[in-house]
Amino acid sequence: EVHLVESGGGLVQPGGSLRLSCAASGLTLSYNNYMSWVRQAPGKGLECVSVIQTGGTTYYADSVKGRFTISRDTSNNTLYLQMNSLRVEDTAVYYCAKWSGAPGLFGSWGQGTLVTVSS
Amino acid sequence: DIQTTQSPRSLSASVGDTVTITCRTGRGIGESFNWYQQKSGKAPKLLIYAAFRLQSGVPSRFSGSGSGTDFTLTISGLQPEDFATYYCQESYTPPWTFGQGTKVEVK
Repeated sequence: EVHLVESGGGLVQPGGSLRLSCAASGLTLSYNNYMSWVRQAPGKGLECVSVIQTGGTTYYADSVKGRFTISRDTSNNTLYLQMNSLRVEDTAVYYCAKWSGAPGLFGSWGQGTLVTVSS
Repeated sequence: DIQTTQSPRSLSASVGDTVTITCRTGRGIGESFNWYQQKSGKAPKLLIYAAFRLQSGVPSRFSGSGSGTDFTLTISGLQPEDFATYYCQESYTPPWTFGQGTKVEVK
């Protein structure tokens, strides 16, 4: 069974940085697993902000392009999201999610970590 | 981006009711369409994928239909644990847009 646990959220000032982590078990990040970060602003809907494919190809939503970087460490089976130049509108719960089978199909989710950007 | 419009934004229903939620996409996407359930304070959970395929472990009272631009989620015989927010999502192309959500509340 896939188990994803996010950490690293917290309160940060606008312009600041934060690194989120997602510890994965029940799967191997380097083997045919597409991983993503999906966020949800308070009281709002869901937005996929970044994806990393098996071969290392990455995707970023326009809203975070140039500011966020997704990466993974296969030695400890952990996914990361480095977030720089944070804005108030980046405030959200950030979920780590694994694609299941088809592209864009978010089959397994972590419990989420809250990022609050405020002065 | 493919626009995904979900309706209604909220509905009130009673246990045992049949509930229908619809989504429309801005252009045809075949059957690359999914439905998720999210309970308060929890992560979303995949219910239906590829328009009508039931995710393992999901009760058969949930069903999906549609193709092209119009999709429907039906809950036949609403149960107490089904009161939640439901999201549709296109998985045809990045950014794999989600709908706005439908909150199913107790009447």
